[in-house]
Amino acid sequence: GENVGLHLPTLSVQEGDNSIINCAYSNSASDYFIWYKQESGKGPQFIIDIRSNMDKRQGQRVTVLLNKTVKHLSLQIAATQPGDSAVYFCAENSRDYGGSQGNLIFGKGTKLSVKP
Amino acid sequence: IAGITQAPTSQILAAGRRMTLRCTQDMRHNAMYWYRQDLGLGLRLIHYSNTAGTTGKGEVPDGYSVSRANTDDFPLTLASAVPSQTSVYFCASSATGLTGELFFGEGSRLTVL
Repeated sequence: GENVGLHLPTLSVQEGDNSIINCAYSNSASDYFIWYKQESGKGPQFIIDIRSNMDKRQGQRVTVLLNKTVKHLSLQIAATQPGDSAVYFCAENSRDYGGSQGNLIFGKGTKLSVKP
Repeated sequence: IAGITQAPTSQILAAGRRMTLRCTQDMRHNAMYWYRQDLGLGLRLIHYSNTAGTTGKGEVPDGYSVSRANTDDFPLTLASAVPSQTSVYFCASSATGLTGELFFGEGSRLTVL
């Protein structure tokens, strides 16, 4: 979820369990959402995206759910593995900065910690 | 394929000095971006370029300038660095119009004293 203050929200799960990371977005006009994964010391990596005309999209071991009514996005990771340990960011498309598809507004991130 | 290359990886800079962070991509993407990442604030867009020859301001552009002379290079310049510009800077690119998938570099950690 969204962070208040300097500390990232942290989700700790056992290896093999499912993980659910939540995100509240701010702009009801946003029509495109993405989840990124950032491992320590690296740049963010694309995981999965979803457009506002969908409410669910599945990838390999990941599912993104979109609830436009409450402006909520979630990322579900099945059978979480130690390699999934990272900070996860949701991002929404913003038209505020020239309308380019890639002008994304990022959330503050959630740290996922997987216990072996 | 290297993707996005940023330089330097890390730099300590005295306040008031000029600094240019370099970014090069080899994917022939039209769009490029500079973000800064600060703990508790996430990634914030500084400047972007939708295509070579054009640039635009993001959420936090003050104190920074960019240029896009060609498709591959997108340098970020701090004309007179201040301590509040201490951050990790990420360059990214995307094939505009296809998806919003951004490809990020590994980051440049800048400390302004």
